[in-house]
Amino acid sequence: SAVISQKPSRDICQRGTSLTIQCQVDSQVTMMFWYRQQPGQSLTLIATANQGSEATYESGFVIDKFPISRPNLTFSTLTVSNMSPEDSSIYLCSVEGTSGSGPEQYFGPGTRLTVT
Amino acid sequence: GDSVTQMEGPVTLSEEAFLTINCTYTATGYPSLFWYVQYPGEGLQLLLKATKADDKGSNKGFEATYRKETTSFHLEKGSVQVSDSAVYFCARGGGFNKFYFGSGTKLNVKP
Repeated sequence: SAVISQKPSRDICQRGTSLTIQCQVDSQVTMMFWYRQQPGQSLTLIATANQGSEATYESGFVIDKFPISRPNLTFSTLTVSNMSPEDSSIYLCSVEGTSGSGPEQYFGPGTRLTVT
Repeated sequence: GDSVTQMEGPVTLSEEAFLTINCTYTATGYPSLFWYVQYPGEGLQLLLKATKADDKGSNKGFEATYRKETTSFHLEKGSVQVSDSAVYFCARGGGFNKFYFGSGTKLNVKP
């Protein structure tokens, strides 16, 4: 399994500002994923980030709102731009992994964002 | 389309009660299936998984069996503890390592 850390763990931000969330993994991974978990809801995939290429965004998410960097195989950032209260969520980073029985995903602890 | 459907919560049980959380999926083919657990204030942890039909995943007293006939992967535990209180997510694997999650089921276990 992989050990994943995220910074910050939580933040309270004003509308119209931007926040960059960092994700650090203790091993090199090809694919990293960013999810959003709105209050009381399930996880929604925002984008997949591969090192050396632009992130691939899911339907409903755009690069201007959620720019992503992936400078190396152990690190990624997600920026939530021009925030509104509707962006209040937990943002989770995950990485792919494999065990003897197939692929798995491992998750960071999440960043709890509140927009006022 | 492909999806994961799990029973709505919250589920409230007394300690030592039997737990079942239903999960069904739709997919082309036979995806890997997973249960994740999210304890209060924490991220998701992989609880168990199954990668092919009739496989049984198990961990910490929890079990789930991959049933292709009923496209189900129900989570069970014979005797729950207060420490099992958490939100449980059923998930299925997809192409390009994407995962699809159910809506989550909150479990409250009372002493």
